[in-house]
Amino acid sequence: QPALTQPASVSGSLGQSISVSCTGTNSDIGNYNYVSWYQQHPGKAPKPIIYDVNRRPSGVSDRFSGSKSANTASLTISGLRAEDEADYYCMSYRDGNTYVFGTGTKVSVL
Amino acid sequence: QAQLVQSGAEVKKPGASVKVSCKASGYSFPHYFLHWIRQTPGRGLEYLGCFRPETGFINYAQRFQGSVTMTWDTSINTAYLELTRLTSDDTAMYYCARDRDGGFSFDPWGQGTLVSVSS
Repeated sequence: QPALTQPASVSGSLGQSISVSCTGTNSDIGNYNYVSWYQQHPGKAPKPIIYDVNRRPSGVSDRFSGSKSANTASLTISGLRAEDEADYYCMSYRDGNTYVFGTGTKVSVL
Repeated sequence: QAQLVQSGAEVKKPGASVKVSCKASGYSFPHYFLHWIRQTPGRGLEYLGCFRPETGFINYAQRFQGSVTMTWDTSINTAYLELTRLTSDDTAMYYCARDRDGGFSFDPWGQGTLVSVSS
């Protein structure tokens, strides 16, 4: 079960916008609008920030947005803040009633 | 609001078994899918499977079929994940997570249970 592919790291300056990509296949991202994104700070559990490709849970900043094109999903963080420094994981529903996670991206704020 | 609270860290020897618990509160436990996920530095987040108490449906991810067992007790709103014949490869943080309303993503998550396997 190969994981979804994410860049190992992405960095940006305070106030900038950055994007994190998540590449899958026709069996997951390409076939379902069930991509979600999770933010994880060190020593903490993952926190949901995007679901169903581009929807935000209540209480999540509108600086976080999601999109999808073909087999690739993207998370964009605008107006980068120090507290956005964390690991980010994508996840997709996959054929066979299962889920697959991305490899994870470390976002650094310069 | 919905909350999941997991049992404490465990240290086990190779070949032993371990049972991690996940207590649900703030929602109707039987009516939602509950998922198990593990995380290691080397392999990242891995999906183990899910169950739904109301229907008795259980689904294990193919890679973990036969090596993990999911059970639950609806009288105390608690889910369990049992791992047997532990090896060092099972050293990981184990999370439970509920389906969000509408499904297909996970919200909330438990705080995690660290299982360490070492001789």
